[in-house]
Amino acid sequence: EAQVTQNPRYLITVTGKKLTVTCSQNMNHEYMSWYRQDPGLGLRQIYYSMNVEATDKGDVPEGYKVSRKEKRNFPLILESPSPNQTSLYFCASSPWTGTGRNTIYFGEGSWLTVV
Amino acid sequence: AQTVTQSQPEMSVQEAETVTLSCTYDTSESDYYLFWYKQPPSRQMILVIRQEAYKQQNATENRFSVNFQKAAKSFSLKISDSQLGDAAMYFCAYPESGGGADGLTFGKGTHLIIQP
Repeated sequence: EAQVTQNPRYLITVTGKKLTVTCSQNMNHEYMSWYRQDPGLGLRQIYYSMNVEATDKGDVPEGYKVSRKEKRNFPLILESPSPNQTSLYFCASSPWTGTGRNTIYFGEGSWLTVV
Repeated sequence: AQTVTQSQPEMSVQEAETVTLSCTYDTSESDYYLFWYKQPPSRQMILVIRQEAYKQQNATENRFSVNFQKAAKSFSLKISDSQLGDAAMYFCAYPESGGGADGLTFGKGTHLIIQP
């Protein structure tokens, strides 16, 4: 089954404790990205990757890191989480076209609470 | 930067009735896709329908259809015969462009309530 898998789905952590949210896709997609969703703000892109070893900032990258060492995996790293990073996070993937003519598939989301 | 505007924060409709959710967007591109995503209480993002801008025919998926007005940059979603399971947040989305980003810009969503 084609899917994007995120882990953990739910996490409560403390300020400053490094954490990683993993993302894996089995569709051989070049393009992967991370979004966060906050009430009243919709979904905003954090980082994206067009292929292995090619990552770039989205709209809200501060406080986050990513890496793309393998095509299927795109982990999101919070080196020193803060309460304003409490949010619902989505990983997404798609075939890369560079044209805006492609469909993006989402993982099920990861609820992160930083206390 | 592209913008996507959903002007209805909340809509309510009686079960079995028809409802239309509005979306406008801003772009200088000529060839692109547009999307409606549904987000039920589970918070999963589910693709409802996709419109290809170069096609004049409006996309249809069962009870879901769009009214795509390219010149007006309008992309509304029509849900016919509304069902209780249609209750959700609905997001209109437009692909970002420039630098091959291929990400999506989302509207802020419309909360759809289905009255039994």
